Amino acid sequence: DADVTQTPRNRITKTGKRIMLECSQTKGHDRMYWYRQDPGLGLQLIYYSFDVKDINKGEISDGYSVSRQAQAKFSLSLESAIPNQTALYFCATSDSVAPPGELFFGEGSRLTVL
Amino acid sequence: SQQGEEDPQALSIQEGENATMNCSYKTSINNLQWYRQNSGRGLVHLILIRSNEREKHSGRLRVTLDTSKKSSSLLITASRAADTASYFCATYDSWGKFQFGAGTQVVVTP
Repeated sequence: DADVTQTPRNRITKTGKRIMLECSQTKGHDRMYWYRQDPGLGLQLIYYSFDVKDINKGEISDGYSVSRQAQAKFSLSLESAIPNQTALYFCATSDSVAPPGELFFGEGSRLTVL
Repeated sequence: SQQGEEDPQALSIQEGENATMNCSYKTSINNLQWYRQNSGRGLVHLILIRSNEREKHSGRLRVTLDTSKKSSSLLITASRAADTASYFCATYDSWGKFQFGAGTQVVVTP
């Protein structure tokens, strides 16, 4: 099984719908991240969480919300999806060592908003 | 805005040749990392270099870091078709965030 699992892997939805992307990890890491990838723009940080009670906005948090249900689970929600939120979304984790080592990524959730 | 900027945006080489890509960043860093992404897949960590290191090797990979110029380079020697992927640099800053550049797309033809 993958260390970082994202569901769903693909989702097509309509404008205005609420969407939740889920992420679970078996790495035992405290830190979890949500990134968005658009072609040619690399990865942009949406939200990050250093532990269950510590959630922070990234550079593009508008239109998104998150929930850290447990150490192992970090969900990203789009309350009212719009077409320019069509993108590939990645969840990642890292350890809490200062500074941390590498990021471990899930396989991504491809979201299409019509 | 993105912290890292990779150069070139795309690179096409033949098997056996070396591939070099560069990354520039803007602010102070604790470490810099390179990742590979096969088409549409999750990113995979390749190598990490700390701010007090100047060069690091891992197999066919060689990474350099010049903190005075805020730049890093990744060299892949004796490239293979399986090295075809996008390569990203990522910096970890003092606020606890990883930030990525736009990536270099590398195509290795047999």
